[in-house]
Amino acid sequence: EVQLVQSGAEVKKPGESLKISCKGSGYSFISYWIGWVRQMPGKGLEWMGIIYPGDSDTRYSPSFQGQVTISVDKSISTAYLQWSSLKASDTANYYCVLAYSYSSRAFDIWGQGTMVTVSS
Amino acid sequence: QSALTQPPSASGSPGQSVTISCTGTSSDVGGYNYVSWYQQHPGKAPKLMIYEVSKRPSGVPDRFSGSKSGNTASLTVSGLQAEDEADYYCSSYTGSNNYVFGTGTKVTVL
Repeated sequence: EVQLVQSGAEVKKPGESLKISCKGSGYSFISYWIGWVRQMPGKGLEWMGIIYPGDSDTRYSPSFQGQVTISVDKSISTAYLQWSSLKASDTANYYCVLAYSYSSRAFDIWGQGTMVTVSS
Repeated sequence: QSALTQPPSASGSPGQSVTISCTGTSSDVGGYNYVSWYQQHPGKAPKLMIYEVSKRPSGVPDRFSGSKSGNTASLTVSGLQAEDEADYYCSSYTGSNNYVFGTGTKVTVL
């Protein structure tokens, strides 16, 4: 079974750093792009960016360029989303996504989400 | 990249049809046949319902259909059922392996 399993919920203070993870299994991890999506509380979905594990080619949404870092560790089939200095406005649920079964442009596999709460 | 525009809400009685629009530009919806639709129930991860404008993944009822004209895509849910009550988001490819989501539509089954 193809699945993405994300790390657990986090509670952090403003200014702290954070790295959340997304572990892929059941498929060739290096062969499929993995994306990240933000959903702020009570709000809609926002595209953040995507990485190709095979060569770490990374594309960011203009809205998130410079705000977060997307990376991958092929050896453990895990993608990461990282902040160097969190803000309260980073409070959101973050999903990793995979376009696997139907189209290279449609995300049929979603992680369970990682809730990040940033509060002083 | 601005979010695609969807109506905030839509509703219908059981058995009726509801259509949700998703308006973008020639740089996203109008420029590519890579429009997808996602259903999200409260507290759950989104689920792919339509891809490449009008194709349905296996397991998605044929009550769900998609179309596109110019810069506007549409999702129609026919024969509404109680379990269709959810938030729906469109998404479009925008080139260079980037995407944009719609603002979301809450569908209520009356």
